[in-house]
This record gives sequence, C-alpha cells and structure tokens, in this order.
Amino acid sequence: NAGVTQTPKFRILKIGQSMTLQCTQDMNHNYMYWYRQDPGMGLKLIYYSVGAGITDKGEVPNGYNVSRSTTEDFPLRLELAAPSQTSVYFCASSPSTGPYEQYFGPGTRLTVT
Amino acid sequence: KNQVEQSPQSLIILEGKNCTLQCNYTVSPFSNLRWYKQDTGRGPVSLTIMTFSENTKSNGRYTATLDADTKQSSLHITASQLSDSASYICVVSKANDYKLSFGAGTTVTVRA
Repeated sequence: NAGVTQTPKFRILKIGQSMTLQCTQDMNHNYMYWYRQDPGMGLKLIYYSVGAGITDKGEVPNGYNVSRSTTEDFPLRLELAAPSQTSVYFCASSPSTGPYEQYFGPGTRLTVT
Repeated sequence: KNQVEQSPQSLIILEGKNCTLQCNYTVSPFSNLRWYKQDTGRGPVSLTIMTFSENTKSNGRYTATLDADTKQSSLHITASQLSDSASYICVVSKANDYKLSFGAGTTVTVRA
C-alpha cells in the first residue's frame, strides 16, 4: 500500500523557472492538501481540494496553482519560482468524513536560487 | 499569532529517560487535537488524536493528555529510544472543519 507519493524528492530551480510537484494517493480519499514547511514554522496550507474538479486557496496560495482532474492526483504548479518559495512541500490526503485523519507524503525539498 | 504554540523548541535526553512536551492552543471552537511524529526527511505520521471528551490517550510509549478547559496538551515519552529522535508536532482542528492548525514542533534528540 503506497499511501501518498510525491515526486521529485529534491529539486533546485533558478529564479523565474517553472515546475510541477506531483502528488498521488491510492487510498481513494476525496480530500487532498498541499502544505509548505519552513524552518521553525508550522506547516502552512497552500491549496486544498475536496474532490475532482474542486480546489480552493489555503493560507499561502500566492505563486502557486493546482488542478484536480482525478481523485488520485493533485499536482502543485510553481509558475515563476522565487527564493521565497524555497521550502519543503508536503502533500496529504484525508477521508471526507471526520476526524479527517490526514496522511502525508514524504515531501519535496525545493531550493530556488 | 500562531494558534498552536509548542514548548520547548528542542530538547536533548539520554536514552531510557522520560520527557514531556507541551502544547497550548487558542483554536476555537475546538474539535480534536493530534500529535504527529516527523522523522528527518519524512512526512508527519499521526501518533494520537483526542476529542474534547478525552483527557488521555496512549500509543505504546507515547501518552498524550488534553485539558480542553485550559486549552493545553502534553505528550509524554516513556523510556526513550534512539528511534524517538524526531520532531513532534501538535495539531488542532476546529469543529466542522477539515483544515488543521499546526504548531512549529518540538525537536527531540535522544542520545546513547
């Protein structure tokens, strides 16, 4: 049982470049989330989705975009990378009923220089 | 201001010793409180989840307590092992909301 998988594990981008962080879950969860984790800070919600075709902004959505064409996949797009987007990114999924237990992927460490 | 505050920021303990981590929150209305363990380079993994009616819950050598009146929780690690070295994150959710509020975590280092 793979759970939540993320690719790539590491990436270095130059300022202004674009990339997509991939996230896939095999637990048939309707809810999926993208977080970023900065040193000394709690995880911050970037975007979330409650089902295929439905997405919404979290606390820190600027500079990111998402899409949800299937239940399994929830990619995160960075269009014009900036140094402030250097962070570790986590994807998570949860059932659509309480207590909405979230299962996290292994993370993607992104550096923008 | 973060709605979930954890202390201490980090601590070092000797293998076999006990330790207690603290979490204070202001999230309201409260639904449940979770403790996650995050190993270096990994995603967080759930240890315990407690609703307002539960004041203690154990998972092996991990025991979490909750005082919903004072909005405080603690995580006690008994007879620590080297594998307990990790960041422990307190997470609180609002009633009828699937979004979570995360503390910054306490980094525990267990030394032989």
